[in-house]
Amino acid sequence: DTAVSQTPKYLVTQMGNDKSIKCEQNLGHDTMYWYKQDSKKFLKIMFSYNNKELIINETVPNRFSPKSPDKAHLNLHINSLELGDSAVYFCASSQDISWGVFEAFFGQGTRLTVV
Amino acid sequence: TQLLEQSPQFLSIQEGENLTVYCNSSSVFSSLQWYRQEPGEGPVLLVTVVTGGEVKKLKRLTFQFGDARKDSSLHITAAQPGDTGLYLCAGASDSWGKFQFGAGTQVVVTP
Repeated sequence: DTAVSQTPKYLVTQMGNDKSIKCEQNLGHDTMYWYKQDSKKFLKIMFSYNNKELIINETVPNRFSPKSPDKAHLNLHINSLELGDSAVYFCASSQDISWGVFEAFFGQGTRLTVV
Repeated sequence: TQLLEQSPQFLSIQEGENLTVYCNSSSVFSSLQWYRQEPGEGPVLLVTVVTGGEVKKLKRLTFQFGDARKDSSLHITAAQPGDTGLYLCAGASDSWGKFQFGAGTQVVVTP
């Protein structure tokens, strides 16, 4: 069983289109995240949800809208895609071990290519 | 804004050699994690260190957390080709689990 699964794995689309990436975790974790990994492999947090509530919203264009229908799912919808949105997007989940101690489990990533 | 700096950015060694990767910050972290990422996959957690001065071993990998909890190192003894990958450190410093990642160290071990 895959702990954190995201679909699709690859996504090629034209500029201006709207697309969604889905993520599900079966670990029973309370917190889920979306990260963006650029071509230099830097992982930057975009959003974090805790029990379906948005708790972290980094400086991300409002064309990106996360949605968490329940605590096991966190989807990412992107409007009006731009060339600069091309990257690998990772979903992750975590659970508090103790205060300030977290361990994240990542999905396999979605490679988004905007042409 | 916290920033974790990893060094070196790239490391290429022969099988059997030792290597050390460093992760440094000016901020104090409540915990620090090391991940390894292979091409086409997501990062996989290797270890979490919490206490200043803590040392953890995972087979040939030794992880150390600095006394002040601002830095960490990963040492690999007798590296093998299977150790090839992108090694990422990540620090957590607030109660909502916000991880700050370093830029990563690409390790290549050739037979």
